Parts: sequence; C-alpha cells; structure tokens
Amino acid sequence: KAGVTQTPRYLIKTRGQQVTLSCSPISGHRSVSWYQQTPGQGLQFLFEYFSETQRNKGNFPGRFSGRQFSNSRSEMNVSTLELGDSALYLCASSNPQGSQETQYFGPGTRLLVL
Amino acid sequence: EDQVTQSPEALRLQEGESSSLNCSYTVSGLRGLFWYRQDPGKGPEFLFTLYSAGEEKEKERLKATLTKKESFLHITAPKPEDSATYLCAVQAANDYKLSFGAGTTVTVRA
Repeated sequence: KAGVTQTPRYLIKTRGQQVTLSCSPISGHRSVSWYQQTPGQGLQFLFEYFSETQRNKGNFPGRFSGRQFSNSRSEMNVSTLELGDSALYLCASSNPQGSQETQYFGPGTRLLVL
Repeated sequence: EDQVTQSPEALRLQEGESSSLNCSYTVSGLRGLFWYRQDPGKGPEFLFTLYSAGEEKEKERLKATLTKKESFLHITAPKPEDSATYLCAVQAANDYKLSFGAGTTVTVRA
C-alpha cells in the first residue's frame, strides 16, 4: 500500500506571499491531520479533517487554513507568509476504528520563507 | 492541556549498549500513546501504539511499555542504524490531535 504523499517537497517563498501544500492520504484513510515542525517548538498540531469536515484546530493564526476533498486528499494554505512560518509541514492520515487510531506521516514539505 | 516530556534529550550509545528512553505524560483520559522514529529531513515513522497501562509491544530491538504516568522505549543491543530521534505522542480521549514531546536523539556508535 502506498504511503502518505506530500507535494511539493521543498518550497522557497518570500514574506507576504501565500502557499498551498498538498497531501494524499493512504488509500482508504479518511482522516488527515497537519502538523508544523520547527527546531524551537517541535511538532505542533495545525488541524484535522475527516470526511471533508474540520473536526479540530490548533492554536495557529487564521492565516493557516485547510480543506479536504471528497477523495480525502487535503490541502493547507498559508497566506501572508512570515519568516517564522519556515518549517517542515507534515501531513498524517489515519483510519479511525472505534477508539483506536494510528496516524501515519508523510515525508513533509520543507518551506523556507525569505 | 496535554503535556508530554521526554528524557534524556540526547543519548549516545556504543553498539550493543542497551538503554531506555522515558516519556512522561499528563492527559485527560488517554486514548493512545504513540512512539515514532524520525530520521533527519524525513517524516516520523510509526513504531508502536499503546492503549492501556501494563501493555507492552516489541519490534526487533525495540520494546515499548506503558504505565499510568509514563512510557519507556527500551533499545536492546542497538546498532548504528538505530540512530534517530524518537518521538513520543499522546492522544486524549475525545480528541483527534497528537501532542508530541520534544524527542530523544539517539546516536549509536559502531
């Protein structure tokens, strides 16, 4: 089974621009979560989608948004980029079954904001 | 708020020298505790999920255990390829997000 895929793998943007990152979950997985990883803050939760509905959102400003499509693919968008948005953005997919749910991560998109 | 603390921050081992990593947590009702391995520049790779105190899981040289307040990841007779950052995360009941610790970076020298 193919794993979680993320595109693009690397991005360089300048302050003020916006960016869209894409995530394709493992086939059959309906939940997609996004995380930001930085050396200073570690892995922090951005938001989670299930069947096209956002079920949970982390403590990030409104510049960070996302969506999920009917085929479970997900995108996240960051508008008005700031230098501090430079990070590894990770997508994880899962197939919740009752109370058990394991999230599987993709390789990430490395974003550098100049 | 869920809190996860991992120790030590870094661990340098000689090949074959067994050791343990600690993950202490506070969470309002544990849904699951997860261990991941992350290599530089890559996404976290799933290792184990533990759901209840007393549970243990093994995979090759790794063994994870869980109590009501902490989890241990035991590395038995490590090899250089076990060098990585090991991440612990918890998921609270009725929640969908993972709360991660800062990780333990393990370096195994041949």
